[in-house]
Amino acid sequence: AQSVTQPDIHITVSEGASLELRCNYSYGATPYLFWYVQSPGQGLQLLLKYFSGDTLVQGIKGFEAEFKRSQSSFNLRKPSVHWSDAAEYFCAVGADRDDKIIFGKGTRLHILP
Amino acid sequence: EPEVTQTPSHQVTQMGQEVILRCVPISNHLYFYWYRQILGQKVEFLVSFYNNEISEKSEIFDDQFSVERPDGSNFTLKIRSTKLEDSAMYFCASSRMGALTPLHFGNGTRLTVT
Repeated sequence: AQSVTQPDIHITVSEGASLELRCNYSYGATPYLFWYVQSPGQGLQLLLKYFSGDTLVQGIKGFEAEFKRSQSSFNLRKPSVHWSDAAEYFCAVGADRDDKIIFGKGTRLHILP
Repeated sequence: EPEVTQTPSHQVTQMGQEVILRCVPISNHLYFYWYRQILGQKVEFLVSFYNNEISEKSEIFDDQFSVERPDGSNFTLKIRSTKLEDSAMYFCASSRMGALTPLHFGNGTRLTVT
């Protein structure tokens, strides 16, 4: 069964600084990987996804993520964060035979002015 | 942009009571999901629903839970006899072609069981 680990519960960065949120997955075959964001009081919104091909994927709001099979990782990055990026970020994994995706525990991002 | 709507936003109920959480998915979506998030914990999959039947369910989704699409627009989650540990935020989601296509989430219903 697939699983996702997000080792950081909270991350604090200054506005304008770069960001990297970590995600490790466990799955025997090629995974389908996602990053979702949850702003306060709202549902989750898809930022980006990786299915195959180029291991660096671009998403909305200036985010990107890199799939590294050798490290079983799919880390989310942004070169310069904005105060509006403060939210909770969830990494998720799916498989083509399943009709579900499994989320990690999430990383809450705090932005310092 | 069309969105998934959930009602109510907050439901308080006593232990042992039945609750129904309601969702209106995006109109041209065919796949429907319920997830829940206990405070401070991860978002957990409960059930997926397609073509008027359950396609997958988790171990959490036991006989106390049921889902229904009663009228072609609503998608409901019923908990027959609530327990304290059912207190959580419940999210409905829908997608056009399954879980690997973007899931569109509602804002959630916070269920508090006292």
